[in-house]
Amino acid sequence: QSALTQPASVSGSPGQSITISCTGTSSDIGAYNRVSWYQQHPGKAPKLIISDVDKRPSGVSNRFSGAKSGNTASLTISGLQAEDEADYYCCSFVGSVTWVFGGGTELTVL
Amino acid sequence: QVQLQESGPGLVKPSQTLSLTCTVSGGSFSSDYFYWSWIRQPAGKGLEWIGRIYTSGVTNYNPSLKSRVTISIDTSRNQFSLKLSSVTAADTAVYYCARGPGGATSEAFDIWGQGTMVTVSS
Repeated sequence: QSALTQPASVSGSPGQSITISCTGTSSDIGAYNRVSWYQQHPGKAPKLIISDVDKRPSGVSNRFSGAKSGNTASLTISGLQAEDEADYYCCSFVGSVTWVFGGGTELTVL
Repeated sequence: QVQLQESGPGLVKPSQTLSLTCTVSGGSFSSDYFYWSWIRQPAGKGLEWIGRIYTSGVTNYNPSLKSRVTISIDTSRNQFSLKLSSVTAADTAVYYCARGPGGATSEAFDIWGQGTMVTVSS
């Protein structure tokens, strides 16, 4: 099972909105609403920010939102803040009781 | 508040078996219906799901690692463990334990340990 495809990097200025895409296939993202997103600051463990495509866990800012269209999931961060600078990973159930992560996207806040 | 903590040797010799334990605190480990996973991350690279175990002991493994992986659980000690056999330098990574996916939680890894670095070298 190949990793999901994410852009290597994205950037935005404070206050702006950015969107990170996560592209899979009709056998994984397209087949299941089991996409999650994680934020990882340098040297830290990943933190869940979106589950089940678009659900925000308690305590996660409403500036983070998730969506899915066809074989592509997306994470949108609105009102960018300096603290949002981190790596972001998508993850999807891919059948056969297996989960696969994307390659990760480095977000730079200019 | 549930917390996870990995422990185990930081250095393993090639061809030997990597063994790690995750201790879960702050919850009813034996009575709650959760899955518990191991995930790894080589330096500067992405995340890879290794496998998961249910509180009943049922396991699921990443097909790419299945032949070398064993995950077990000890509910009396609030722990679950990872064994990865025949390791090579390619197994050098930070290893995380996490809760999920599935069971009584969402289809996501909702709580993570801080991670432990394991280096494979002679």
